[in-house]
Amino acid sequence: AAGVIQSPRHLIKEKRETATLKCYPIPRHDTVYWYQQGPGQDPQFLISFYEKMQSDKGSIPDRFSAQQFSDYHSELNMSSLELGDSALYFCASSLFGSTGGIHEQYFGPGTRLTVT
Amino acid sequence: QQQVKQSPQSLIVQKGGISIINCAYENTAFDYFPWYQQFPGKGPALLIAIRPDVSEKKEGRFTISFNKSAKQFSLHIMDSQPGDSATYFCAASRGSARQLTFGSGTQLTVLP
Repeated sequence: AAGVIQSPRHLIKEKRETATLKCYPIPRHDTVYWYQQGPGQDPQFLISFYEKMQSDKGSIPDRFSAQQFSDYHSELNMSSLELGDSALYFCASSLFGSTGGIHEQYFGPGTRLTVT
Repeated sequence: QQQVKQSPQSLIVQKGGISIINCAYENTAFDYFPWYQQFPGKGPALLIAIRPDVSEKKEGRFTISFNKSAKQFSLHIMDSQPGDSATYFCAASRGSARQLTFGSGTQLTVLP
């Protein structure tokens, strides 16, 4: 079965640079979530989109922005990168309109961002 | 402040034993409780999930027990295998389509 695709898988940037992470949800899934996971930490929710509209917002820095496009893929844009932004960034997707009221979130393999 | 408290931080069991991981939550608005398994460098993989209207759910060797009055839930892994060695996260959300709040994780090691 098709899974969530994230690109790139690894990214190295210098301080103050910008980065763009991409997420391609499972086909027919309409909701995308972004999480940040620091070393040895649990994933922290950043932001989510349902049908191309922002649905929830968590601890996302003002330097970060995200959007979901008409084909449901999503991009996380990160500017003025800081050393502390080094982390694994996961995208997850779900189908909001699924029957039974259960909207399981499936995670992608993540993008490892290293800021030097 | 961790909204979902998970214990233990690490767990070592023998092959064939039972692994038990516990979580507790405060927010009574939470109504969806999944467990995720994560291998190093990989994304969390959904194992099993439960809603508060049932007290137990079993899928293969994995069982969730849920105690609504105590605001606690736990994961039991029966007949633990070395391949189960991973980090396990409990999570909670207000509705399954909403953001997940994760516990701090449990590093499970199953000895051969």
